[in-house]
Amino acid sequence: AQKVTQAQTEISVVEKEDVTLDCVYETRDTTYYLFWYKQPPSGELVFLIRRNSFDEQNEISGRYSWNFQKSTSSFNFTITASQVVDSAVYFCALSERRDNFNKFYFGSGTKLNVKP
Amino acid sequence: DVKVTQSSRYLVKRTGEKVFLECVQDMDHENMFWYRQDPGLGLRLIYFSYDVKMKEKGDIPEGYSVSREKKERFSLILESASTNQTSMYLCASSPGTASSYEQYFGPGTRLTVT
Repeated sequence: AQKVTQAQTEISVVEKEDVTLDCVYETRDTTYYLFWYKQPPSGELVFLIRRNSFDEQNEISGRYSWNFQKSTSSFNFTITASQVVDSAVYFCALSERRDNFNKFYFGSGTKLNVKP
Repeated sequence: DVKVTQSSRYLVKRTGEKVFLECVQDMDHENMFWYRQDPGLGLRLIYFSYDVKMKEKGDIPEGYSVSREKKERFSLILESASTNQTSMYLCASSPGTASSYEQYFGPGTRLTVT
């Protein structure tokens, strides 16, 4: 079973639309961390946000916001008033402790196309 | 700013060749990782290293080996390249041992094996 599921393979929106990227995770740990990364066409993954399992407060950073709900094991990412520069592949990831190591699990990514 | 650099952005090799992919980080991070990225599969962990000369297998280690002789450098080796190893290879590093640390990624190497 996948630890991190991003069911949306590709989303296309028109500039200024709001868009939500879904992320569902699976873990038995009580302590874990969730991340979102952006991969623009240049290829380098850029860290966007980290959330720990004890903090369910939603976070807003400019046009970006994140909704963490432990009850549904989801960590969704919303871009408000999307722009062409938001076009990228977005990855959700889970980090947990396994066999004395930190294991990172990435989702398969959601490709966002923002059209002018 | 953390910098993770990879030796090549694009690489074309022939089947059966031995291939070296180099990764260097400049922030004294303990942990380094090699992933491959394929469409629809996301990032899959090949190997990681939590200290010099230490290595651990990830989820798909077959056909690969690694070397970490210095803290800042982590090399991925394809002993005998095959066409199914055509992929984007991403190197990452992270500090410490806490699971809270994010990973910092290099720009990737797109490897084509013909």
